[in-house]
Amino acid sequence: AQRVTQPEKLLSVFKGAPVELKCNYSYSGSPELFWYVQYSRQRLQLLLRHISRESIKGFTADLNKGETSFHLKKPFAQEEDSAMYYCALEEGGSEKLVFGKGTKLTVNP
Amino acid sequence: EPEVTQTPSHQVTQMGQEVILRCVPISNHLYFYWYRQILGQKVEFLVSFYNNEISEKSEIFDDQFSVERPDGSNFTLKIRSTKLEDSAMYFCASEGVYTEAFFGQGTRLTVV
Repeated sequence: AQRVTQPEKLLSVFKGAPVELKCNYSYSGSPELFWYVQYSRQRLQLLLRHISRESIKGFTADLNKGETSFHLKKPFAQEEDSAMYYCALEEGGSEKLVFGKGTKLTVNP
Repeated sequence: EPEVTQTPSHQVTQMGQEVILRCVPISNHLYFYWYRQILGQKVEFLVSFYNNEISEKSEIFDDQFSVERPDGSNFTLKIRSTKLEDSAMYFCASEGVYTEAFFGQGTRLTVV
């Protein structure tokens, strides 16, 4: 069973438009959730994690336990935001990350 | 900024051959991981390594796979007899006590 679902494989927006990348998870305990980003030809890097409640590069993500979601949002997309975005879950008692399939975001000029 | 380094960046091998993928984790990190990503699919966990032993492994990580940290710095993944379906991008990651996982740039393994 898929534990992390990113329903959009591709997402295309124009510069300055709001963007939301969806992530839903399936886990009965208290998960730790992350967004990782992979820019073209670069390594996977952490964008943000739910426990820190930070805003990184203008992105925010709120954990909604009722909807089991952790959607990534940015009010005004920039061209340099174009990348692959992966939602990931770390289960309690485990150190491994369970990744979603990723969403490729393209921000058009 | 410290980085996880993987070598080689691309490895082509014949089916049935052994391959060793190498990783230099960030020094003072304690947890080490291998993940793989088959083309077009999700990043999948293979194995985690802590305190010189495997702490967790997935069902993908069968007897053909092994990991070791032979000299306290390098962290290697060995595939004993490669199969076509082992072709994938392999990512190493390391994690400190109070940090997130940092990933290497990956090794693309092509089995022909």
